[in-house]
Amino acid sequence: IQLTQSPSSLSASVGDRVTITCRASQGISSYLAWYQQKPGKAPKLLIYAASTLQSGVPSRFSGSGSGTDFTLTISSLQPEDFATYYCQQLNSYPPTFGGGTKVEIK
Amino acid sequence: QVQLVESGGGLVKPGGSLRLSCAASGFTFSDYYMSWIRQAPGKGLEWVSYISSSGSTIYYADSVKGRFTISRDNAKNSLYLQMNSLRAEDTAVYYCARVTRRDGYNEGFDYWGQGTLVTVSS
Repeated sequence: IQLTQSPSSLSASVGDRVTITCRASQGISSYLAWYQQKPGKAPKLLIYAASTLQSGVPSRFSGSGSGTDFTLTISSLQPEDFATYYCQQLNSYPPTFGGGTKVEIK
Repeated sequence: QVQLVESGGGLVKPGGSLRLSCAASGFTFSDYYMSWIRQAPGKGLEWVSYISSSGSTIYYADSVKGRFTISRDNAKNSLYLQMNSLRAEDTAVYYCARVTRRDGYNEGFDYWGQGTLVTVSS
């Protein structure tokens, strides 16, 4: 199953609402996770089961979708949110990742 | 707190072998599926392998099948990745990660190690 993230990069300002899209090549129900990765660091799980916030993750992050189309939304971008975001499907093997979306400072 | 610490990376020639280790602490290791994921320099994430909590179920990415072997020692709270016949395209940071599951399905990788760099070059 291929995952296509869009955009591949974006520039935004602190306080902006940011939306990242992940489209699966076939239906994956709600078996989708989102990760945040900062340079030189391991990825961090933000959301699993498409919309469930991982413990300790700020509520400005939210996820939605099912089937083939999913979104990650950051309601009000904070300085610490500038990073690369990846979606991942876990519906079937192999558990593939999207290509990533780099969120940069405008 | 949950900790995963990888070791064993380094520089190896094409065709060579390496064994990565991941030491787990802060949780009941034998209760969890574990996984290896890699990231080539400047590239995205690529899942490599899964192993079930007991070690009885194992999956590999096609890119490493037949060359890599995942294993675990629950008595030592350790995960391993034996990598043989290494190629230049195996150059990457290798992460171990804990798998979060519900109702028999994988939901994500909730804890990751800091990664260990494997460089395959002559």
